[in-house]
Amino acid sequence: SYELTQPPSVSVSPGQTASITCSGDNLGGKYACWYQQKPGQSPVLVIYQDTKRPSGIPERFSGSNSGNTATLTISGTQAMDDADYYCQAWDSSTAVFGGGTKLTVL
Amino acid sequence: QVQLQESGPGLVKPSETLSLTCTVSGDSMGNYYWSWIRQPAGKGLEWIGRIYNTGSTNYNPSLKSRVTMSVDTSKNQISLILSSVTAADTAVYYCVSLSSTGSFDYWGQGILGTVSS
Repeated sequence: SYELTQPPSVSVSPGQTASITCSGDNLGGKYACWYQQKPGQSPVLVIYQDTKRPSGIPERFSGSNSGNTATLTISGTQAMDDADYYCQAWDSSTAVFGGGTKLTVL
Repeated sequence: QVQLQESGPGLVKPSETLSLTCTVSGDSMGNYYWSWIRQPAGKGLEWIGRIYNTGSTNYNPSLKSRVTMSVDTSKNQISLILSSVTAADTAVYYCVSLSSTGSFDYWGQGILGTVSS
């Protein structure tokens, strides 16, 4: 079965750039999405179709996808971005999620 | 904007069946596909399956033998049935809208389904 791999944790200082990776076989040949989840809340879509931001998502969130790796980049990270982030893609009519990355802003 | 509300029994005994319902409001059901996604406490997200308004379904291969999803457009509801449950099925279950871009756009608040005797 298809797998997506994320680092368990990433740390960043406020105002700096955070990058969260998601790796999978030929992931660049699929569309990747990213979700943000804060404690006790439902996930929120922050990036879809590799690079697109839904309405209401700040411009500091951006995405890329090439080769075997998709990347979520948060520029000028703020304390409110402290959360879990999940990547997701489709493989053979099955949705697959990465294991999640805990982003700590400190 | 779509609003999704999950409902159903919070506690189910091992080997029995978990039945959940999702009520949709705020937009036409015809504009979306629908999915169920679950999350055990402290763990990641697991996709359960998707259903179209036509009733066509796709399920996670790891759960396929135990899952049934259905849609009732007259009631604006989507249902999930998970049979032969074990403690490993204890999780928060989310009802989610699935857009044509393949992204999960709108999420319900989630409902905790606990499997315990």
